[in-house]
Amino acid sequence: GQSLEQPSEVTAVEGAIVQINCTYQTSGFYGLSWYQQHDGGAPTFLSYNALDGLEETGRFSSFLSRSDSYGYLLLQELQMKDSASYFCAVRDSGATNKLIFGTGTLLAVQP
Amino acid sequence: SQTIHQWPATLVQPVGSPLSLECTVEGTSNPNLYWYRQAAGRGLQLLFYSVGIGQISSEVPQNLSASRPQDRQFILSSKKLLLSDSGFYLCAWREKRAGAFYEQYFGPGTRLTVT
Repeated sequence: GQSLEQPSEVTAVEGAIVQINCTYQTSGFYGLSWYQQHDGGAPTFLSYNALDGLEETGRFSSFLSRSDSYGYLLLQELQMKDSASYFCAVRDSGATNKLIFGTGTLLAVQP
Repeated sequence: SQTIHQWPATLVQPVGSPLSLECTVEGTSNPNLYWYRQAAGRGLQLLFYSVGIGQISSEVPQNLSASRPQDRQFILSSKKLLLSDSGFYLCAWREKRAGAFYEQYFGPGTRLTVT
């Protein structure tokens, strides 16, 4: 089967940098994506890595190491509005139409 | 631009009552459609997905069902709700192009409480 592991909670202060890790086990790998979900809201797509390395989008960056089955989301210059849950996801190896989501990491940004 | 609608936003239903949640997408055609459920503080559980009208794949055996009567309409139903059906129900869509595997777009969700 497929599984993804993330820390359940991370706390950081405003202006700092925080890294949210995701390790995965999958029989076939097609890339890693990240979603953000504010409390009570809908998940929104943040980024996608198909190849090894760092992808940067503004204050957010996402990293992938396929050899280590590992990725992370890096948030820089943290703002209070970054307080949210962050989910990593992989494509289901048996069905191209499905995503398998991690259990999510709750990021609390403190002043 | 594309928009996804879900209604109602909140719902309180007694155990044993029926359920119908509706989701519609605008601004795209022939999307893949998805129903997820999220328990409080938990991850996303895929319930159903559809690749076309009348085509439904069920992920979790339970007392819920889904239908896709039109290209951009996805309905989640139950004949008799259970307490365990409480949760946050999210509809999502994605384009069928190969580069869009990882980009799903979610609706605002329906918060269902079964009492």
